[in-house]
Amino acid sequence: QVQLVESGGGVVQPGGSLRLSCAASGFTFSIPVMHWVRQAPGNGLEWVALISHDGDYKTYSDSVKGRFTVSRDNSKKTLYLQMNNLRTEDAAVYYCAKALNSGWGPFEYWGLGNLVTVSS
Amino acid sequence: EIVLTQSPGTLSLSPGERATLSCRASQSVTSTYLAWYQQKPGQALRLLIYDISTRATGIPDRFSGSGSGTDFTLTISRLEPEDFAVYYCQQYGTSPLTFGGGTNVEI
Repeated sequence: QVQLVESGGGVVQPGGSLRLSCAASGFTFSIPVMHWVRQAPGNGLEWVALISHDGDYKTYSDSVKGRFTVSRDNSKKTLYLQMNNLRTEDAAVYYCAKALNSGWGPFEYWGLGNLVTVSS
Repeated sequence: EIVLTQSPGTLSLSPGERATLSCRASQSVTSTYLAWYQQKPGQALRLLIYDISTRATGIPDRFSGSGSGTDFTLTISRLEPEDFAVYYCQQYGTSPLTFGGGTNVEI
C-alpha cells in the first residue's frame, strides 16, 4: 500500500535551516507530482510547494518563495524540502502528499506529517 | 490567488442527520478542479471528493459533492459516528493551490 513518511523536523532558531524528507513506497515514485503542505497549530492547511515528476518544474507559495527549495530523488523514492532563513511563522506540521494521476492534484495520499518548531 | 471560504465554521449535528458544507471561491475555479478532504486527529488526511463530484476510491456513497464556478457543496447524507471530523475544500487548478479554512463537524 502507499506510504509517505516525513522526517527531519525538530526545533530550530529563527534564521536557521532544516531539511525535511519524505520517503515514499507502494507506488512508482517517478510518475506523480508531489507536494508539501503545512498546518500551523490549531490552523488550517496551507499549500507550500509542488514539484513535477522529473523535478524540472517547481512552484512555491509566496510565503516561502526564495527561502524554501523542493527537490526529489526518484532513484531513492524521496521528496525533500530545504527550509532556510526560518521564521516563527513557519512553525507547523509539514505534510508531503502525492497527486492523483499526472496533474497537480487532487492529493490522493498524505503522510502523517512532521513537526517543525521555530523558537529562540 | 483564489480564496476559498468555507461555512459554517462548525456544524453541530447528530448521527443519522444530513450535513451540508459550503465552499465559496473568490473567483471561478479552473475547470472542475475542486476537492474535499477529511482530517481526523492522528490519521492521514483523506481525499473524499475530486473534480467537484467524483468520489475517491473507497469513499462511501453517503458522501457527495456538487457545484460549479464559485459555489460548491459537500453533502453527507446520513452521518455515521466516524464522520465527525474537520473537512477542507481545495482548488488545484491555479497556482497557488489553496484550501478553505475548514468546517468542523461535531456531535
